Amino acid sequence: AQSVTQLDSQVPVFEEAPVELRCNYSSSVSVYLFWYVQYPNQGLQLLLKYLSGSTLVKGINGFEAEFNKSQTSFHLRKPSVHISDTAEYFCAVSDPPDKLIFGTGTRLQVFP
Amino acid sequence: GAGVSQSPSNKVTEKGKDVELRCDPISGHTALYWYRQSLGQGLEFLIYFQGNSAPDKSGLPSDRFSAERTGGSVSTLTIQRTQQEDSAVYLCASSSTGTSTEAFFGQGTRLTVV
Repeated sequence: AQSVTQLDSQVPVFEEAPVELRCNYSSSVSVYLFWYVQYPNQGLQLLLKYLSGSTLVKGINGFEAEFNKSQTSFHLRKPSVHISDTAEYFCAVSDPPDKLIFGTGTRLQVFP
Repeated sequence: GAGVSQSPSNKVTEKGKDVELRCDPISGHTALYWYRQSLGQGLEFLIYFQGNSAPDKSGLPSDRFSAERTGGSVSTLTIQRTQQEDSAVYLCASSSTGTSTEAFFGQGTRLTVV
């Protein structure tokens, strides 16, 4: 069975600092990987996804992630965060054909 | 519609009552998913529809939970004899491809069982 581990439940960071949110997955088959963001009292919004091709994936709001097959990781990065990036971030792996398996989430708190 | 619509946005119910949660997917999306988000449990998959059929119901936590989808569009998640542990946010998502590669989520229904 596929699974996703988000290593940090909370990540505090100051505004304009870089950030990395870590995600590791376990899968014995080819995977599709995703990062979603959830702002307070809202649903999930897709940040970026890896399906195939280039291992560096760029998403919305200046975020990017790198797929590393040997380390089974898909870490999310942003070189300079804003207050508005404060939210919950979920890493997910697709378990074809029918569902996404989510990690437990990382709360990013950006301080001024 | 422009996005996935869920209703109600909030529901408070007494323990033992039945509740129905509704999901209106994006027009033309053939795949529909239900997830549950609760404190300490993260996001749990409940059920997946492709058209009107549900090939994967493996996430439904008990036989008190059921879901249907009619006309390949609207879906209803029903919880019978609600318990306090059913309190959670129930999220619906839809996809045009059916492979989770482009799943769009609604804003969820917050269910509170008192």
